[in-house]
Order: sequence, then structure tokens, then C-alpha cells
Amino acid sequence: GAGVSQSPSNKVTEKGKDVELRCDPISGHTALYWYRQSLGQGLEFLIYFQGNSAPDKSGLPSDRFSAERTGGSVSTLTIQRTQQEDSAVYLCASTRAGGEQFFGPGTRLTVL
Amino acid sequence: GIQVEQSPPDLILQEGANSTLRCNFSDSVNNLQWFHQNPWGQLINLFYIPSGTKQNGRLSATTVATERYSLLYISSSQTTDSGVYFCALNAGNMLTFGGGTRLMVKP
Repeated sequence: GAGVSQSPSNKVTEKGKDVELRCDPISGHTALYWYRQSLGQGLEFLIYFQGNSAPDKSGLPSDRFSAERTGGSVSTLTIQRTQQEDSAVYLCASTRAGGEQFFGPGTRLTVL
Repeated sequence: GIQVEQSPPDLILQEGANSTLRCNFSDSVNNLQWFHQNPWGQLINLFYIPSGTKQNGRLSATTVATERYSLLYISSSQTTDSGVYFCALNAGNMLTFGGGTRLMVKP
């Protein structure tokens, strides 16, 4: 597609449940990033994938968060045993290495 | 880590007015981007500007990397310019975002 796509656009879940968020980057982009934006706040880096290198997981807030990128393209962010403080908009971005980052529309996660 | 500060935090303009948004940063950077987050939450790329000056329609941006600041100019503002403007800097593997400037343009 022409841009970064994310699914679902909205997700409501109950505390303690697991959720999976999906990101399809721009075709040909080798780098993929996940960020989180809490209500009224700026964006917080979570994780970075570059080609076949080991991901930079330094931004993940706890071991309940994990992400994978299959075939160098699609990425899935998984949050296990969700907590209310996980409620936020989760944004994915992609780029050619070191270049301008382009963002998807985000997934709004609400944990009840 | 790198610190990014934006000013002003909030700005209200009358339609047609001009404005300047500022982004100060604490360290040298590989690149700098300006984004507009519209009321629906979408981040729209405005400029990719590690140094120098660029213009796109009513918007222009200048980054002076040696003095660690960037400016975003909005001329003849329109109501559709409302939203939050973020600058973000790449000094490693990710973008570090400023706190944003929330702009409201009144008709």
C-alpha cells in the first residue's frame, strides 16, 4: 500500500487479557518502529527493528510487552495480561534506514 | 538521553495570523522532523530538516544544528491548521519527541 497501515484501529479489552496489534510498513522500508502515545502526551519509543538485526527493545516498559517482525515486513506488538495503564494509542512507523519516518494511523487501546 | 523542548505549549490564533513555533534540543542529531497531529490523531509529516531551510506552501522550517534549535513558521493560518505540532529528533535508533505545541486557529 501507499502508507503504513495498522489494525485494529480500536481495541477494547478487559484487564488481564492479552492483545495483539498489527503493523504493515511501507513496501521497501527496512526499519520499523513502535511508539506509544498516552492521552494528551507526546510519543514514547517502544521498539525498533532494522532488517535482520536484533531488535532494539530498550523502550519496552515491562516484560509483558513483546514484538516480532516476520519476513522483514509485518510486525505484531503483543501485550500480555493488560493493565489499565496500558491504555494508549499505539503507533507504528517505518523508514528506509536512517531516513524520514512515516507513521500509521495508530491503534487506540482501551483496557477496562 | 537527548532532551527536546517545544514552545509555546499552547497557542491560539485568529485565522490569517502568522506564527512561529520553536524546538530546542540538547545534543547533536542525525535528523529532525516536524509533524502535525490532526484532531483524529494522525501524524502528518511536514518537514524532514536536519539543517537549513525548507518551504512547503504556507509552512516553512529552519534548523540551525550548531545552535540546537529549529523553527516552524505558519503563515496566513487556517482553521485546518489546528492540532498539535511535534518536533522529533533522531539521535540513534528512534525519534525523541518534544512535548508539542497545541495550536487552535479561530475563524
